[in-house]
Amino acid sequence: KQEVTQIPAALSVPEGENLVLNCSFTDSAIYNLQWFRQDPGKGLTSLLLIQSSQREQTSGRLNASLDKSSGRSTLYIAASQPGDSATYLCAVRGSARQLTFGSGTQLTVLP
Amino acid sequence: DTAVSQTPKYLVTQMGNDKSIKCEQNLGHDTMYWYKQDSKKFLKIMFSYNNKELIINETVPNRFSPKSPDKAHLNLHINSLELGDSAVYFCASSHRGALDTDTQYFGPGTRLTVL
Repeated sequence: KQEVTQIPAALSVPEGENLVLNCSFTDSAIYNLQWFRQDPGKGLTSLLLIQSSQREQTSGRLNASLDKSSGRSTLYIAASQPGDSATYLCAVRGSARQLTFGSGTQLTVLP
Repeated sequence: DTAVSQTPKYLVTQMGNDKSIKCEQNLGHDTMYWYKQDSKKFLKIMFSYNNKELIINETVPNRFSPKSPDKAHLNLHINSLELGDSAVYFCASSHRGALDTDTQYFGPGTRLTVL
């Protein structure tokens, strides 16, 4: 059974810092990995999708990497802004062909 | 233009009641999903429909019954509500099948509170 773990559970940084969020999964037989952002009381916004054959994806200040063999992904946020404050969720689509989510990292960027 | 919409946004009801949550997507997607997010923030798949056919049905009590009148709608009906059903329910959709690798787009969620 696929399990997804995100570390840290919460992170607080001053504005302008670069930061890394970590995601690990137990079953490396995945189709893709997706990073989402969840704002309080709102739905999930897809940030980046990395297919199993890819090593990384970039969108603006965000860069996500995938190391399937070790069961790890990182989300790198450059030059963080207060507007980046949200919960970041990692989800993998595995052999069961459904998304398995981590419990998220709650990020606070202080002005 | 809302891509995936859910109604209601909040639902407060008594134990034992029957309630429905509606979901609509205007993205022309083939596949729709229901997820439950519990108090620990874990999102778990409940159901998935592809072109109105059920393709994923996780271990969910049969009090939960999804209904897909057409490709753009997937409603969730819950009978005999229990306290443990309190959670945020998210609808999502994706292009092509659930067995594909496309991005899923999520609705804003429905916060269900059972008293």
